[in-house]
Formats: sequence, structure tokens, C-alpha cells
Amino acid sequence: NAGVMQNPRHLVRRRGQEARLRCSPMKGHSHVYWYRQLPEEGLKFMVYLQKENIIDESGMPKERFSAEFPKEGPSILRIQQVVRGDSAAYFCASSPPRGVANEQFFGPGTRLTVL
Amino acid sequence: AQSVTQPDIHITVSEGASLELRCNYSYGATPYLFWYVQSPGQGLQLLLKYFSGDTLVQGIKGFEAEFKRSQSSFNLRKPSVHWSDAAEYFCAVVPMEYGNKLVFGAGTILRVKS
Repeated sequence: NAGVMQNPRHLVRRRGQEARLRCSPMKGHSHVYWYRQLPEEGLKFMVYLQKENIIDESGMPKERFSAEFPKEGPSILRIQQVVRGDSAAYFCASSPPRGVANEQFFGPGTRLTVL
Repeated sequence: AQSVTQPDIHITVSEGASLELRCNYSYGATPYLFWYVQSPGQGLQLLLKYFSGDTLVQGIKGFEAEFKRSQSSFNLRKPSVHWSDAAEYFCAVVPMEYGNKLVFGAGTILRVKS
């Protein structure tokens, strides 16, 4: 059973470009979470999605950031008009529909560098 | 303020020595508690978790953690550290009142000297 997959693993963008980060949850998992890890900091929650629904986006910046988890295909975290402060590692996690206490399984992360 | 605190940013131990990493939380109700490990450039791996019951929890790689309600703590321990344990360790909680999201501490970087 493959784990959580994220791609790309590394992404370089220039200021003003768009970044698209993809996350494929573990098989049988229908809940996806995105976290951001700024340099030398812990992970911060961004958004929690179920298929076709955003459940909690309280950690998402108000502008330029969006997330989706369509019925088919991976979850996408989209950052428009990137700025240097968006440089970070973005981690996706997934959990099953009725996971015990929301145990989340993490992907390897996408490291975004904004030039 | 509600938070997860890991007071030690860096810890260095000798190979074979014992280890204790501290974690305190401040939430009204006891949250679900987790320890994760992150090797450089890698994702997070779950070491162990506490939901209820026995307050001493056994995890993978020889780690254990003890939940102490009176101290709002969930410290991670290992009796004998191996060089391969060098990594960053994160304590995390799922607060009862906050739904599904994990709240992480700032992490403790463990260095192992031979």
C-alpha cells in the first residue's frame, strides 16, 4: 500500500508566478490536510479537505492560496503570485474516513523556493 | 494561550545514553497526543500516540512516552540512543475543541555524538 505521495518534491518559482502542489492520499483515505513548515519552525495547519469539500480552512492565508480535493484525482494546493515569504516545505497528510483520533499519515513534502 | 511547547530547541546526547524530550500543552481538555520524527529533507513519521488508557505508551524504534495529566506533559524517552536517531522531533496534539487539525510544537533537534 503506497503511502501519501506528493509532487513535485522540489519546486522553484520566480516572484509573481503560480505554484501548484499535488497530493495523492493513501488508498482508502478520503481526508486530506495541508501543513506548511517555514524554515526552522514547526508545521502549521493550513486546510482540511474531504472529497469535493473544504472542511476547515482556518489556517489558509486570506489571499493567493486555495486548495481543492476533487472527486477524482489528487488534492491541489495552489499559490498564486508567489512571494519570497512563501518559500517553505508544504506537507500533505491523509487519514481514513473514520480514523481513530484523526491519525494522519504524512507525505514527503514539497519544498518550494521562490526566487 | 493554547499551545504546544517543546522547551528544548537542540539536544545533544552521546550514543548509548538515555534521552528525554519534553513536551507540554495548554488546552482545557486533554487532547490526543502524538510524537513525530523528521529526518533531514524527509516527511514526518509517527513514533507513537496517546488517546486514552495506559499513560505509558510504547512506540516504534524503541521510543516510549509518558502522559502526565497533572503536568500537562507528554515526554518522549529512549533508554539508549543510536546514531541513527539524530533527527528533529515534533510533539503534536489534536485539541478536542479544534476538530481534526494537528497543532505542532516547534520541534527539538537531536544530535548524537559518538
